[in-house]
Amino acid sequence: GAVVSQHPSRVICKSGTSVKIECRSLDFQATTMFWYRQFPKKSLMLMATSNEGSKATYEQGVEKDKFLINHASLTLSTLTVTSAHPEDSSFYICSASRQGPTGELFFGEGSRLTVL
Amino acid sequence: KNQVEQSPQSLIILEGKNCTLQCNYTVSPFSNLRWYKQDTGRGPVSLTIMTFSENTKSNGRYTATLDADTKQSSLHITASQLSDSASYICVVSLSSNDYKLSFGAGTTVTVRA
Repeated sequence: GAVVSQHPSRVICKSGTSVKIECRSLDFQATTMFWYRQFPKKSLMLMATSNEGSKATYEQGVEKDKFLINHASLTLSTLTVTSAHPEDSSFYICSASRQGPTGELFFGEGSRLTVL
Repeated sequence: KNQVEQSPQSLIILEGKNCTLQCNYTVSPFSNLRWYKQDTGRGPVSLTIMTFSENTKSNGRYTATLDADTKQSSLHITASQLSDSASYICVVSLSSNDYKLSFGAGTTVTVRA
């Protein structure tokens, strides 16, 4: 079946540094990918929609200069947390659909970011 | 206010027993409803996806039901196993034309031997 892969699964960084998280669709092309943030015992919060070849669409309240999204190819989207602070520590998850909005949505394994 | 409410927030069941999770939604219009299983520290994995015209869908020991009139869905787990311990998330899609999804907060299921 379709697989979406995220890397790294865990990352620890110092405050003020930037961290890049990759999301790859391994066996299908995804023109659209999604980035979520999840706090403990809470539901997934959509941060932005990543569009291949164009700018990402950010949800209200999400700082686009803070969370840089690049979707340079049909199988790769990256999320860069710039100048990370401890409050950015969270679980970040990406997803992609092979068959458009009504198709099954495949999620990555998630990336746990800890900012010291 | 979240448009997708799940209950209970958590539950503990003994291995081999059945359980039912509830999902009530107020999302409108409605395209489809999905149930996902999320293990701790992992990404969600799809269990079922139902359109508004479907009443039930099964995936092994997981059976989802949908009542579009009352805007309620349930996920029934039969003969629970220890590996069923996870968070189960109900997700409602607003439209068939875009990716707008509403996520429930999930029900945490703990299966004990």
